[in-house]
Amino acid sequence: DVKVTQSSRYLVKRTGEKVFLECVQDMDHENMFWYRQDPGLGLRLIYFSYDVKMKEKGDIPEGYSVSREKKERFSLILESASTNQTSMYLCASSLGVWSEKLFFGSGTQLSVL
Amino acid sequence: AQTVTQSQPEMSVQEAETVTLSCTYDTSESDYYLFWYKQPPSRQMILVIRQEAYKQQNATENRFSVNFQKAAKSFSLKISDSQLGDAAMYFCAYRAQGGSEKLVFGKGTKLTVNP
Repeated sequence: DVKVTQSSRYLVKRTGEKVFLECVQDMDHENMFWYRQDPGLGLRLIYFSYDVKMKEKGDIPEGYSVSREKKERFSLILESASTNQTSMYLCASSLGVWSEKLFFGSGTQLSVL
Repeated sequence: AQTVTQSQPEMSVQEAETVTLSCTYDTSESDYYLFWYKQPPSRQMILVIRQEAYKQQNATENRFSVNFQKAAKSFSLKISDSQLGDAAMYFCAYRAQGGSEKLVFGKGTKLTVNP
């Protein structure tokens, strides 16, 4: 089975801190995604990547950046964390262009104080 | 832009009974995929069922089935013989067939299963 691993299950940070959320997948998937999940809002796409060093903005990229230096790893970066970035962050991956199935990590609950 | 609407924030069902979760979507595309994902308290999103828009036959996976009405842009999920383990958040999602890989999610329906 595909495994998507997010480095932290819970994370508490201070306003203004630089935050790194890491995601690793073990099935050589081409596509990787970062979503944030908020109650009543569902999942919203922050950034996605089709290949190493390639990235595209999703629906809510403001305040975030990403890095994909290796195929298996996709990092989400909060340059200067703010309280409105308190949320559940979900990483996902999929095999290729015609793959409709996403595999998700278990999420990171980030609290910014 | 495509949108997905789940009009039921919460639903409940008695164990062993049947429940239907609603989903509507808006798109101008003719070819696309629709999905139902389940998110239990463990937070792991699990694909429950998927439907290709070009297929008229409704998808079925064991106790889970869909009622896909393309003209009405409706995609409801029916869970038969509900079990306690079915309790979770359920998300409806849409993806166009070509181009971007982006999934568009609804806001979710929280399903409670009562013993």
